[in-house]
Amino acid sequence: AQTVTQSQPEMSVQEAETVTLSCTYDTSESDYYLFWYKQPPSRQMILVIRQEAYKQQNATENRFSVNFQKAAKSFSLKISDSQLGDAAMYFCAYRSAGGANSKLTFGKGITLSVRP
Amino acid sequence: DTGVSQDPRHKITKRGQNVTFRCDPISEHNRLYWYRQTLGQGPEFLTYFQNEAQLEKSRLLSDRFSAERPKGSFSTLEIQRTEQGDSAMYLCASSLARAPLSPLHFGNGTRLTVT
Repeated sequence: AQTVTQSQPEMSVQEAETVTLSCTYDTSESDYYLFWYKQPPSRQMILVIRQEAYKQQNATENRFSVNFQKAAKSFSLKISDSQLGDAAMYFCAYRSAGGANSKLTFGKGITLSVRP
Repeated sequence: DTGVSQDPRHKITKRGQNVTFRCDPISEHNRLYWYRQTLGQGPEFLTYFQNEAQLEKSRLLSDRFSAERPKGSFSTLEIQRTEQGDSAMYLCASSLARAPLSPLHFGNGTRLTVT
């Protein structure tokens, strides 16, 4: 079974600074998808960014980018120019590329606070 | 696109009672998922449907839990003989089956408190 580990329970960043959130995963599969989700205090999960394992190029979405290291099974999220609205819980998630196995497996999450 | 809708938002019940939650997915989404989330933890997978077929159930889903999606649209999650350990946020999500990279769209969840 696949597992996702987020070892940092909390992080804090100064507004306008850059922060990196860590995630590692364990799998025996070669093809899969990785995601970062954000859960603000209102509780609705929102997709931040996604990465296909067969793509070497790191995904980027505006201020959000990932550092995907397949051999190390690492998938970190970098938030540049942090804003107060970035404060939330962030979850790393894994999804098998196999058609029959559709579910997302989440890590425990990390609480990000942004200092004004 | 009205998003994924869950009802009720909050439910307080006494131990031993049965509860039922409803989820209305995004209309064109054929996959529907149920997750459970306790405070400070990541969502844990419970079950998912493709159209009306329940394709996978987690071992977390004891025989007191049952989920249905009778017409491939809305879904219900029932918990019988609730226990205090069932207290959690129950999240519903939907996605498109034909797009593997399609993200899950989550609802706001139903918070269950068992007293």
